[in-house]
Amino acid sequence: SQTIHQWPATLVQPVGSPLSLECTVEGTSNPNLYWYRQAAGRGLQLLFYSVGIGQISSEVPQNLSASRPQDRQFILSSKKLLLSDSGFYLCAWSVEVDNEQFFGPGTRLTVL
Amino acid sequence: GQNIDQPTEMTATEGAIVQINCTYQTSGFNGLFWYQQHAGEAPTFLSYNVLDGLEEKGRFSSFLSRSKGYSYLLLKELQMKDSASYLCAVRDLGYSTLTFGKGTMLLVSP
Repeated sequence: SQTIHQWPATLVQPVGSPLSLECTVEGTSNPNLYWYRQAAGRGLQLLFYSVGIGQISSEVPQNLSASRPQDRQFILSSKKLLLSDSGFYLCAWSVEVDNEQFFGPGTRLTVL
Repeated sequence: GQNIDQPTEMTATEGAIVQINCTYQTSGFNGLFWYQQHAGEAPTFLSYNVLDGLEEKGRFSSFLSRSKGYSYLLLKELQMKDSASYLCAVRDLGYSTLTFGKGTMLLVSP
C-alpha cells in the first residue's frame, strides 16, 4: 500500500530564516506530487506540482521554491521566511492518470 | 480560472441528514471531488463525480450537475464524528491540478 510522509510535523521559525520541508511517498512509482498551503480562514492553495523528477510547476508567485530530486521525494524551500508564510503545509500525491489526491499529515509552520 | 463557492458553516443534529452545496465557475472542468478534513488533520478523500448524477457511498452521497455548475454532498444518519470541514474541489482539463473551495465547517450537535 502507498504511504506519504512529511516532516517535521510542526516548526517555529523566525522571520528571515530559511525553510526546508520534506515529503516522501512509498509504494508507488512516478507519482504526481503537490504542495499546498492552508492559512487560517483560507482554502487549500496549490503552491507547486510536479509530474516527474526535476519538473516543477508553480501556481502562485512567492518566496517559496520546490524541488524533486528523486522520483518520490518533494521538497519545499525558502531562503527567507515571511510572516505571511505561516500556515499548514500539505503534500499530496496522485497516480498519473487518476487525479484523486492523497494527502500527507502536514507540517504546521509558524513564522514569528 | 476556477471560482468555487461553499457555505462557510452549517449545523445539524445527530441522526439528521445534511446537504452541503458547492457551486463552481470554471474555464475547464474534468471532475469534482469532495474531501473531509478534521481540525488539525489532512484532508481525506470522500467522493468523485465526473458525470451528472448521484454517486452513493455508504452514508455519504455526492451529486453533480455540469450544466448548472453545481454539486452537493449529502450526509445521512449524522454522527458526532462527522463534525469537520468539507472541501469541494474541481479538476481542470489539464488533469494536473485541483482547485479547492474554502470548505464548509459542519458542526454536529447531540
